[in-house]
Amino acid sequence: QQQVKQSPQSLIVQKGGISIINCAYENTAFDYFPWYQQFPGKGPALLIAIRPDVSEKKEGRFTISFNKSAKQFSLHIMDSQPGDSATYFCAARSSYGQNFVFGPGTRLSVLP
Amino acid sequence: DSGVTQTPKHLITATGQRVTLRCSPRSGDLSVYWYQQSLDQGLQFLIQYYNGEERAKGNILERFSAQQFPDLHSELNLSSLELGDSALYFCASSVGIIGGRGLKSKNQETQYFGPGTRLLVL
Repeated sequence: QQQVKQSPQSLIVQKGGISIINCAYENTAFDYFPWYQQFPGKGPALLIAIRPDVSEKKEGRFTISFNKSAKQFSLHIMDSQPGDSATYFCAARSSYGQNFVFGPGTRLSVLP
Repeated sequence: DSGVTQTPKHLITATGQRVTLRCSPRSGDLSVYWYQQSLDQGLQFLIQYYNGEERAKGNILERFSAQQFPDLHSELNLSSLELGDSALYFCASSVGIIGGRGLKSKNQETQYFGPGTRLLVL
């Protein structure tokens, strides 16, 4: 119940295309869903986050779509750029819970 | 730059040894989290401290321990090291907890990760 599933494991997209990464959870107590971006040799960095009271959040080229009934959320990267090539992690947490649960990560490669 | 610092950047040691990893949180952050990242396990939460006290425990082995000092820096101690302990160890910090420290207290969500310590056990 503490797991967060993430797919795909890896993704190759052409420059200018849309990258879509999906996550699913089971614990209905989760109420905060961040996405982290990690470049090789660096620590994860918060990219964008959403709470379940909204169905979508957009920041620049990055959009989170959230489906509370399906317990799924996804990251969309519009107009993907080679500089977006990184590993992306979804995560989930209950505000009263003890820790973040991370998905296994998606390695995104954007071809020039 | 997240503002979280970790030392050392790299560490090579032998099985059976003990090492200490150090983390300094962002200025003003009271919570410190430790994570282990390995190729086959992804990011695994180990332990959280808030203002010097243990707040949450994850998949932390008994051979591992941590503490947070009065100046809020934290150390993760790994002992009796095994080959499988080779991994990246990340520290993250966040503002802390709002609403007090009781059952209704809530963790501040945004975590800022340090650059990590790469541990290699030979």
